[in-house]
Amino acid sequence: DGGITQSPKYLFRKEGQNVTLSCEQNLNHDAMYWYRQDPGQGLRLIYYSQIVNDFQKGDIAEGYSVSREKKESFPLTVTSAQKNPTAFYLCASSMKGLSYGYTFGSGTRLTVV
Amino acid sequence: GQQLNQSPQSMFIQEGEDVSMNCTSSSIFNTWLWYKQEPGEGPVLLIALYKAGELTSNGRLTAQFGITRKDSFLNISASIPSDVGIYFCAGPPSGGYQKVTFGTGTKLQVIP
Repeated sequence: DGGITQSPKYLFRKEGQNVTLSCEQNLNHDAMYWYRQDPGQGLRLIYYSQIVNDFQKGDIAEGYSVSREKKESFPLTVTSAQKNPTAFYLCASSMKGLSYGYTFGSGTRLTVV
Repeated sequence: GQQLNQSPQSMFIQEGEDVSMNCTSSSIFNTWLWYKQEPGEGPVLLIALYKAGELTSNGRLTAQFGITRKDSFLNISASIPSDVGIYFCAGPPSGGYQKVTFGTGTKLQVIP
């Protein structure tokens, strides 16, 4: 079955360390997205990519970096510059046109200890 | 960025009751999407609407695309405990195809 896979489900990081969250999709979707969700809050866009080797900043890109070397993969690095990284991170993908919306992964919960 | 306002923000209901929630925007939308997010999981698409005035059902869920194209409504009939979660409206704003805007969410709690 096609889908979008995020790993790991839970991640603990020490302050000052960079950490990379994985996102892989086998839906043949062109576009991929990273969102951050804080407890009881909505979704805030971090980065998005419409094609390989191209990506754009979302609303809260500071302290994060991404790459899109393959269509299937869109890893997110949370750098030490991100002041408050503890959150639930969601990856999504979509076809062009967006008429069918996004398909989301099951999320990664990052906790800074 | 653009925001979609959902109301109510949260609600507690008795099992078996019907639920209504809505989503409004200051801009026109060509597509309205409704998602449900269960605790610790990613949102799942429930219903997609593509035409002003359209009414679409998915089991006990019914959603409507407002005729002004600036709002949408979601109804859940005869709620059950597994309806618990956060419901998000979303859509790509008219003329902007790069990304979808999400609503602020309605958190639903069902009391057995």
